[in-house]
Amino acid sequence: DSGVTQTPKHLITATGQRVTLRCSPRSGDLSVYWYQQSLDQGLQFLIQYYNGEERAKGNILERFSAQQFPDLHSELNLSSLELGDSALYFCASSVTWGSTGELFFGEGSRLTVL
Amino acid sequence: DAKTTQPPSMDCAEGRAANLPCNHSTISGNEYVYWYRQIHSQGPQYIIHGLKNNETNEMASLIITEDRKSSTLILPHATLRDTAVYYCIVRVEGQAGTALIFGKGTTLSVSS
Repeated sequence: DSGVTQTPKHLITATGQRVTLRCSPRSGDLSVYWYQQSLDQGLQFLIQYYNGEERAKGNILERFSAQQFPDLHSELNLSSLELGDSALYFCASSVTWGSTGELFFGEGSRLTVL
Repeated sequence: DAKTTQPPSMDCAEGRAANLPCNHSTISGNEYVYWYRQIHSQGPQYIIHGLKNNETNEMASLIITEDRKSSTLILPHATLRDTAVYYCIVRVEGQAGTALIFGKGTTLSVSS
């Protein structure tokens, strides 16, 4: 158990819909990272937040957005969903935004778009 | 961040040492080498990291060549539970906004 909690574990929805994925980082971790893993793309970095502020952006689509709240949990919002958005979405946390060592990953949220 | 090159797949017999190579010939002086693994759709798991010196922990050993252009992750006594995708990543420590950028990794299959 990494200490990072993601909900929901599984989500099935239709094209055009909007979903929100939630991540609670490990206690004390200030930085949150979001990753997308689809079969043909591998693990893709989406976005990073540190203590409520956006710190880095990767391959995140404009239809996707994220935020980190004062209690440090984070949400990833996916809108106008397409079939290709079906993937595993992982959240990770670490102590500081530039820290060495470990990123702790959650077990992921599996999104299926029909 | 520097790119890494890993073999797409490797096999290992249970109980034997698994030696996973990684080439990072363009690594910069301030970049660390990290290893993570992902067991069948679970979240990636940190294994070990190092800068210049060889490192060992309860999971594995990391051997970095003197010129730092390549490294080897060693699982001393592989078990079936070590079957996973292993990722070698180079990353600047302490840099603002630095996330881990994963490549395709090496799929290690441990068999009995």
